[in-house]
Amino acid sequence: QSVLTQPPSMSGTPGQRVTISCTESGSGVGTNVYIHWYQQHPGAAPKLLIYGNDNRPSGISDRFSGSKSGTSASLTITGLQSDDEADYYCQSYDISFKAWVFGGGTRLTVL
Amino acid sequence: VQLQEWGAGLVKPSETLSLTCSVSGESLNGYSWSWIRQSPGKGLEWIGDMNHSEGANYSPSLKSRVTMSLDTSKNQFSLKVTSVTAADTAVYFCASREVIMTAAWGMFANWGPGSLVIVSS
Repeated sequence: QSVLTQPPSMSGTPGQRVTISCTESGSGVGTNVYIHWYQQHPGAAPKLLIYGNDNRPSGISDRFSGSKSGTSASLTITGLQSDDEADYYCQSYDISFKAWVFGGGTRLTVL
Repeated sequence: VQLQEWGAGLVKPSETLSLTCSVSGESLNGYSWSWIRQSPGKGLEWIGDMNHSEGANYSPSLKSRVTMSLDTSKNQFSLKVTSVTAADTAVYFCASREVIMTAAWGMFANWGPGSLVIVSS
């Protein structure tokens, strides 16, 4: 089984840079599996933020970037803004269970 | 692509939860069509998805109680969860999942707004 571990919460001040980690573990981890990231504001549906480890969909600010090395992925937000206060989820594929998995989510607070 | 979930918002324990997702702006042939849920105050849980070429694929933890179907004529897809309990209370999202084997493979690009289903007698 594949588990994606994220810090439950993080915080930052306006203008700051924050990095949210997502660590894969377990027997279901694939070597060539991509990580995708989502942003979710309260009461709203998740929105795709980064796909394929480090690609931004059209319309997503370049303040958001992603990276992956081995079994560790990260989402970096630069120039933190109040609207960035949201929950962030990473997502990948469990090759053992043939199932899509999400990390537990990170609640980002902008102080 | 726009998605909209609809169905009963209140289901009694032991009964069957039924939801439908209407799709506009895209035919059902291009993606895999997914259901994802979020229990109150919790994270996202993939339930399963379905497409014409691969059929249905369900989460191992829910597989015994879940059925999905596609209705190409109405451009909509559906979810049924049997024998529900309070643990099935959640916001249920429908979403499109990319199937092309590129960096986009597996991403959920389009989501419905979500439909709250409460399991209670």
